[in-house]
Amino acid sequence: DGGITQSPKYLFRKEGQNVTLSCEQNLNHDAMYWYRQDPGQGLRLIYYSQIVNDFQKGDIAEGYSVSREKKESFPLTVTSAQKNPTAFYLCASSIALTSLPSDTQYFGPGTRLTVL
Amino acid sequence: KNEVEQSPQNLTAQEGEFITINCSYSVGISALHWLQQHPGGGIVSLFMLSSGKKKHGRLIATINIQEKHSSLHITASHPRDSAVYICAVRPNTGNQFYFGTGTSLTVIP
Repeated sequence: DGGITQSPKYLFRKEGQNVTLSCEQNLNHDAMYWYRQDPGQGLRLIYYSQIVNDFQKGDIAEGYSVSREKKESFPLTVTSAQKNPTAFYLCASSIALTSLPSDTQYFGPGTRLTVL
Repeated sequence: KNEVEQSPQNLTAQEGEFITINCSYSVGISALHWLQQHPGGGIVSLFMLSSGKKKHGRLIATINIQEKHSSLHITASHPRDSAVYICAVRPNTGNQFYFGTGTSLTVIP
């Protein structure tokens, strides 16, 4: 079964700690994305990657870091510099960044991060 | 400023009712997507539109490019339709999507 997995589903961390959220896809997609979802707001782009070893900042990259060492994997680290990290984080992938308009994004199940 | 506006924010309907969710956007787009987010958080794509109308089961999506407006209709609504429906647009320039804040639908038996 092809798809995107994110782990864990729920994550609790103490303030001041870095935490890494996992995202893995077996769809053979080149492009991967990280979004943040807060109540009453649309999804906001944190980082995206169009190819291995390359990634770009999205609208709200401050306090986050990513890596793309393998095509299948795009982990997101929420650092202690992120002022308000408690949120729902969604990973997505698409065939390519410069894909056709009709190409859709496939989303993972999300990770709910709570910083205490 | 939000490039994508949805209405209503919240919607409660009786089972069997006809439901309409609206999406307006302010940028030129190459495509519009309707997404469904279940209570657990996972998101699935329902439709991609660049013109006209599409139908899938009880779901119908329409778009008017000139008016920069799209609607998602659900006929004969059912409690399992309860979810958040999100409108997302892909602008003509750039590779990002812009997302609406979502419409939370609850269908009561």
